[in-house]
Amino acid sequence: QVQLQESGPGLVKPSQTLSLTCTVSGGSISSGPYYWSWVRQPAGKGLQWIGRIYTRGSTNSNPSLKSRVTISVDTSKNQFSLKLTSVTAADTALYYCARGGGNFPNWYFDLWGRGTLVTVSS
Amino acid sequence: SSELTQDPAVSVALGQTVRITCQGDSLRTYYASWYQQKPGQAPILVIYAKGYRPSGIPVRFSGSSSGDTASLTITGAQAEDEADYYCHSRDNSGDHLDVFGGGTKLTVL
Repeated sequence: QVQLQESGPGLVKPSQTLSLTCTVSGGSISSGPYYWSWVRQPAGKGLQWIGRIYTRGSTNSNPSLKSRVTISVDTSKNQFSLKLTSVTAADTALYYCARGGGNFPNWYFDLWGRGTLVTVSS
Repeated sequence: SSELTQDPAVSVALGQTVRITCQGDSLRTYYASWYQQKPGQAPILVIYAKGYRPSGIPVRFSGSSSGDTASLTITGAQAEDEADYYCHSRDNSGDHLDVFGGGTKLTVL
């Protein structure tokens, strides 16, 4: 079955760029009417949607993070990636990748990675 | 509006019925989906669309919607249902962005 796995550095220095990759296994990232998202969760807090990408390449992101977020997809590697620039301690969180699906007016995330902890500290 | 509002905490006696609600203007347009998250685990989808359950989700989980409020109901709550529950939908902005509610901590007494 399809699985998602996040990867990337667990420690990032303040003001630097956080870079994460989500690898899709067991199926093609290009198949199906799906979109691919990043969601984060600071310790003890709720889920925050970061952004999404469609395999055609169009992206959207959370307005609170928009100027710092870049999401890209590499269909040849079956991966999509997140870059978050100018990080601060407030960006310390568990980062999840997730598969979105559905159609209007029903959207949902039916598949999640296990998450990867990113700590911003010098 | 881009906000989804949930009660921070709800409790239920073992075997009883509990309803967890999610309120937001965008729920007049979009259905909510619901996620269960246990400590140290990733969220899992428990309800989507008009109350559909993914494979493997017990029948005691159901969903409904009325106006600007979506509800997740657990009929006959079990100890293993103790978890955080999050609603999700899209907002009414031009880009129809994804948004999560703040989450509800469910305690089974």
